[in-house]
Amino acid sequence: GAVVSQHPSWVICKSGTSVKIECRSLDFQATTMFWYRQFPKQSLMLMATSNEGSKATYEQGVEKDKFLINHASLTLSTLTVTSAHPEDSSFYICSAHRLQGSTGELFFGEGSRLTVL
Amino acid sequence: GQSLEQPSEVTAVEGAIVQINCTYQTSGFYGLSWYQQHDGGAPTFLSYNGLDGLEETGRFSSFLSRSDSYGYLLLQELQMKDSASYFCAVRPHRGGFKTIFGAGTRLFVKA
Repeated sequence: GAVVSQHPSWVICKSGTSVKIECRSLDFQATTMFWYRQFPKQSLMLMATSNEGSKATYEQGVEKDKFLINHASLTLSTLTVTSAHPEDSSFYICSAHRLQGSTGELFFGEGSRLTVL
Repeated sequence: GQSLEQPSEVTAVEGAIVQINCTYQTSGFYGLSWYQQHDGGAPTFLSYNGLDGLEETGRFSSFLSRSDSYGYLLLQELQMKDSASYFCAVRPHRGGFKTIFGAGTRLFVKA
């Protein structure tokens, strides 16, 4: 099956610093990737759609300047949490889908658990 | 707006059958999917229904009724390893593969 890799798995940072999370599709090209945020025992909240070669599309209520998304190639999207604060602590998961196929199955990365002190 | 409703928790015993329902109200509809997520892990795809009816994949089956905006996931011969959260998810648009997730149902399988 398709593999999506996310790095780092865990990150702890101080308030005010920025953190970059990488999401890579390892065996397929992804023109679109999705970034989700998940609080403990809650659902996956779609934050934004990352579009290769163009600007990301953010969901309502998600701060564009806070969560910077870059999709520089067909296999890599990055999410940068800028000026992180404790309330940004969460589980961030990326996903991608194959271009082929009609089910729209999403392949998820392992997730990145961010803790802001 | 978009909303997907599913029960928050279900408990069942090993070997039993359990059904997790999902009703949805979305701006558009292009398929209902189900994902499984174990604590601390990433969601994994279980099934997809684009058309009305039942889809079977091993011990798991999924059903869709578009006229009722309703679907369910059926898990048979439950095993302890099936204890996890199960999410229904909707693609509201044909293109783009943007997917909205329900709140999730935590399934507890007891011995």
